[in-house]
Amino acid sequence: AQSVTQLDSQVPVFEEAPVELRCNYSSSVSVYLFWYVQYPNQGLQLLLKYLSGSTLVKGINGFEAEFNKSQTSFHLRKPSVHISDTAEYFCAVSENFGNEKLTFGTGTRLTIIP
Amino acid sequence: KAGVTQTPRYLIKTRGQQVTLSCSPISGHRSVSWYQQTPGQGLQFLFEYFSETQRNKGNFPGRFSGRQFSNSRSEMNVSTLELGDSALYLCASSLVGLTQETQYFGPGTRLLVL
Repeated sequence: AQSVTQLDSQVPVFEEAPVELRCNYSSSVSVYLFWYVQYPNQGLQLLLKYLSGSTLVKGINGFEAEFNKSQTSFHLRKPSVHISDTAEYFCAVSENFGNEKLTFGTGTRLTIIP
Repeated sequence: KAGVTQTPRYLIKTRGQQVTLSCSPISGHRSVSWYQQTPGQGLQFLFEYFSETQRNKGNFPGRFSGRQFSNSRSEMNVSTLELGDSALYLCASSLVGLTQETQYFGPGTRLLVL
């Protein structure tokens, strides 16, 4: 069975500083990896996804993530955050042989300090 | 193109009642998935429908059921409501539900059980 661990439940960061949100996964088979963002009182929006190929994935709003198979990690990074990045971020995994469901981590609440 | 819509947005019910939630996917999308989001358990997969058939199911009791219509609209039903069913219920749609596809989420239905 697949699982996702987001190591930090809350991350405060000063505006314009860099940020890294950590995600580790566990699976016995090959996986696809996703990062979603949830703004207050809204649904989830896809930031980026890793399916195959280059391990560095670029997404929307200046975010990027790096897939590290040996460390089973998929950390999300942004070089300079903005107040509008305040939201909850979810890492998710799905197994790539037809198991059509996402398994989510518990989320990381990113708070940007002006 | 209109996004995923969910109705109603908010619901208040009492224990023992039943409730039906509705989800209209993006036009052309045939796969609809449902997720439950609670502060304690996070985001959990309920089930996925494709072409009017339940194709995948999460670990929820039989009180949770769903269906999909020929126009791909989906409903989920919860019978004999319990206090613990209070949650944000999210619906997501994708073209055919392949694991590498992007799932587009609706804004959710917030259910409060008293």
